[in-house]
Amino acid sequence: NAGVTQTPKFQVLKTGQSMTLQCAQDMNHEYMSWYRQDPGMGLRLIHYSVGAGITDQGEVPNGYNVSRSTTEDFPLRLLSAAPSQTSVYFCASSLGAGDLLFGPGTRLTVL
Amino acid sequence: AQTVTQSQPEMSVQEAETVTLSCTYDTSESDYYLFWYKQPPSRQMILVIRQEAYKQQNATENRFSVNFQKAAKSFSLKISDSQLGDAAMYFCAYRSAFRISNYQLIWGAGTKLIIKP
Repeated sequence: NAGVTQTPKFQVLKTGQSMTLQCAQDMNHEYMSWYRQDPGMGLRLIHYSVGAGITDQGEVPNGYNVSRSTTEDFPLRLLSAAPSQTSVYFCASSLGAGDLLFGPGTRLTVL
Repeated sequence: AQTVTQSQPEMSVQEAETVTLSCTYDTSESDYYLFWYKQPPSRQMILVIRQEAYKQQNATENRFSVNFQKAAKSFSLKISDSQLGDAAMYFCAYRSAFRISNYQLIWGAGTKLIIKP
């Protein structure tokens, strides 16, 4: 198993640009989620999905969209990047209430 | 709403000694999970140890053990025989066992652990 993979590892955007952070898992996990991590803070949930075709908002969803067309993939879209979205983004998945497994993270800088 | 508090922003310990990281949480639920995650400079979030609230026995994983006090809502992590590779940020996290919560993890702010050679 490759586990949870994320691409890209690093990204620099200009204000107003859009982009998609990719996340994939090959463990048939029903639950997938996106977190952001800012300095001095714990992780905050952006969006999550409990299965293909089902998504919902987390704690900080504004400025982000998600979709879940397959069990394996859960992309995060930034619609119009803002400097406040500069952060490290983590994708994580689990089988039900099992342990969350994290991807390696994407460091995003918005200028 | 559940909250998780880590009151120690930074801790240091001499190599080979023992250190305890503190975590308290607040919840009205009876069934939940508690976790300690490690984040080294590589940024990868690594699960260190997991405790189910219904289990009275404290979880142990090699040099890592917890002191779970359910009534006091306390969940500390003890690292024995500290090694240089243990240097990292350590996060305490809470997760409800009920599906209605959608299994969201609630995180503490983290404790930076420094290992002195």
